[in-house]
Amino acid sequence: ILNVEQSPQSLHVQEGDSTNFTCSFPSSNFYALHWYRWETAKSPEALFVMTLNGDEKKKGRISATLNTKEGYSYLYIKGSQPEDSATYLCASNTGNQFYFGTGTSLTVIP
Amino acid sequence: NAGVTQTPKFQVLKTGQSMTLQCAQDMNHEYMSWYRQDPGMGLRLIHYSVGAGITDQGEVPNGYNVSRSTTEDFPLRLLSAAPSQTSVYFCASSPVTGTGSYGYTFGSGTRLTVV
Repeated sequence: ILNVEQSPQSLHVQEGDSTNFTCSFPSSNFYALHWYRWETAKSPEALFVMTLNGDEKKKGRISATLNTKEGYSYLYIKGSQPEDSATYLCASNTGNQFYFGTGTSLTVIP
Repeated sequence: NAGVTQTPKFQVLKTGQSMTLQCAQDMNHEYMSWYRQDPGMGLRLIHYSVGAGITDQGEVPNGYNVSRSTTEDFPLRLLSAAPSQTSVYFCASSPVTGTGSYGYTFGSGTRLTVV
């Protein structure tokens, strides 16, 4: 079992603010790190898949970085909008088993 | 393209009853898995499959059985439902196994209540 931890547990920001949150995972036997966005009453949707140390991925105002040597990934949201309100999950795997963190719940206040 | 289809969306069972949660995908994905989601616990892996005829246990397999007779289908069976199995269940699939280099596609979830 992998211990994947996310912080903070929840976050409230004003519209237009930029924000970031953290995912930490065991650095040994690393395969991949996933970020998912999970809106209320919907299913998680994949945002990023990262496999290499130093990877940086970007999708619109959302970006992510990966440090496999120290076992952490950051997710950044620039200029938060109300539609960014969701829970953001990260997951890492050991072989065929993916382990998820408990998520960061983001609320963007208009 | 339907993606991952889970049925039913809601179910109430009495303690001791059995049932099967259905999961089907039409993307020819090799890898399929079942997770349960409980408050404060995040998504926990129940069982997974790397291809037809191959299944294995995840983090919390007790009380559940799976089979994978076709690439498309991966049903989850509750043998004798217990209140501790009250949860939201998600099926997820991925094109390949092992490396994790593709993200999961999730079904819409099944909310199960055991009374």
